[in-house]
Amino acid sequence: GNSVTQMEGPVTLSEEAFLTINCTYTATGYPSLFWYVQYPGEGLQLLLKATKADDKGSNKGFEATYRKETTSFHLEKGSVQVSDSAVYFCALSSNAGGTSYGKLTFGQGTILTVHP
Amino acid sequence: SQTIHQWPATLVQPVGSPLSLECTVEGTSNPNLYWYRQAAGRGLQLLFYSVGIGQISSEVPQNLSASRPQDRQFILSSKKLLLSDSGFYLCAWSNALGNTQYFGPGTRLTVL
Repeated sequence: GNSVTQMEGPVTLSEEAFLTINCTYTATGYPSLFWYVQYPGEGLQLLLKATKADDKGSNKGFEATYRKETTSFHLEKGSVQVSDSAVYFCALSSNAGGTSYGKLTFGQGTILTVHP
Repeated sequence: SQTIHQWPATLVQPVGSPLSLECTVEGTSNPNLYWYRQAAGRGLQLLFYSVGIGQISSEVPQNLSASRPQDRQFILSSKKLLLSDSGFYLCAWSNALGNTQYFGPGTRLTVL
């Protein structure tokens, strides 16, 4: 079955530091990959996505590249801000097997705290 | 543009009481709809999904049920709440042929 593994965290950084949150996956077929962000007390927001190998998703200074050879989709940002403090979820969606909906499989989430 | 609403935002209920959480989507037709539960602010568990009116699929056996009385309305219910039903409940939608899900603001349920 499908699965997503992301670094546990928590991750604590100083403002303007470089961020990497690792995500690897196992899936049948050709999944689409996503990063969602959840700010305290809120729902999930789609941060970025990639639908095929070598695609790079980017948004708000964050980026992630779909690496089929290493089954990875690591999230990076060159300079984090205090406002980036949140929980980050890696997820995949696969329609393999003829399902009529895109079921999402989530990682456990990584808590990021950025200090001034 | 599409928007998704959930209410109530927070709810405190006694054990054994009934539950009804509502989710509505605006700006799209025939969406796929999903209910998730998030415990302890971390992992998400898919509870139910629906591809059309009256069509509900359950992912895990539990004390909850779901209904879709209208195209853009999705309701999560229980006849008798358990302590273990406490959590953060998230509704999401996607296009019928799409695989990108968009989430609502969530309902925090505390069962005492």
